[in-house]
Amino acid sequence: QLVLTQSPSASASLGASVKLTCTLSSGHSSYAIAWHQQQPEKGPRYLMKLNSDGSHTKGDGIPDRFSGSSSGAERYLTISSLQPEDEADYYCQTWGTGIWVFGGGTKLTVL
Amino acid sequence: QVQLQESGPGLVKPSETLSLTCTVSGGSISSGGYYWSWIRQHPGKGLEYIGYIYNSGSTYYNPSLKSRVTISVDTSKNQFSLKLSSVTAADTAVYYCARGDYGDYWGQGTLVTVSS
Repeated sequence: QLVLTQSPSASASLGASVKLTCTLSSGHSSYAIAWHQQQPEKGPRYLMKLNSDGSHTKGDGIPDRFSGSSSGAERYLTISSLQPEDEADYYCQTWGTGIWVFGGGTKLTVL
Repeated sequence: QVQLQESGPGLVKPSETLSLTCTVSGGSISSGGYYWSWIRQHPGKGLEYIGYIYNSGSTYYNPSLKSRVTISVDTSKNQFSLKLSSVTAADTAVYYCARGDYGDYWGQGTLVTVSS
């Protein structure tokens, strides 16, 4: 069964960097995922599609501070030079058999 | 730039049918071979996938909702729609529409409350 696993929370200081992780279930390590950001009281915003080889395609207007990388079944979102507006929920998502599958989301707190 | 906008009643009575429309601007809904999806988010919870319609008209629904869901498209209006029948309080959520297999564009969402 295709499952995406994310840590429920993360925190980092203003101006620092943070790396969020999304882990694909066994047998699905070749899957691409997408990262979406949901700021408080807003809808999700597409950040990027991240392939198993680490290549990624970012959405319109997504700053260079946001980058993606991959290792095995793990997909990473790195945010550098953290800004207050980066405090948000981050969801990974992939495409299963005819259906989207979401991770549980990581709540990022900017200290 | 592509934009999506959900619309529909914010309040639906139990046992009735929830109906929402997603209007697409900045591009044709019938070109590009995209999947057009509905997703919902219960208050304070994560994201739940409802289903999609492909530009050929084929659909796929989350098995947990399949018996109650219909997604359709109106290419003349550049819109696609969601119908969810026999709603209960458990269907109270923010409903989003989105494009593509990886959600490269989302609507802002609309809150639907199920209550008498």
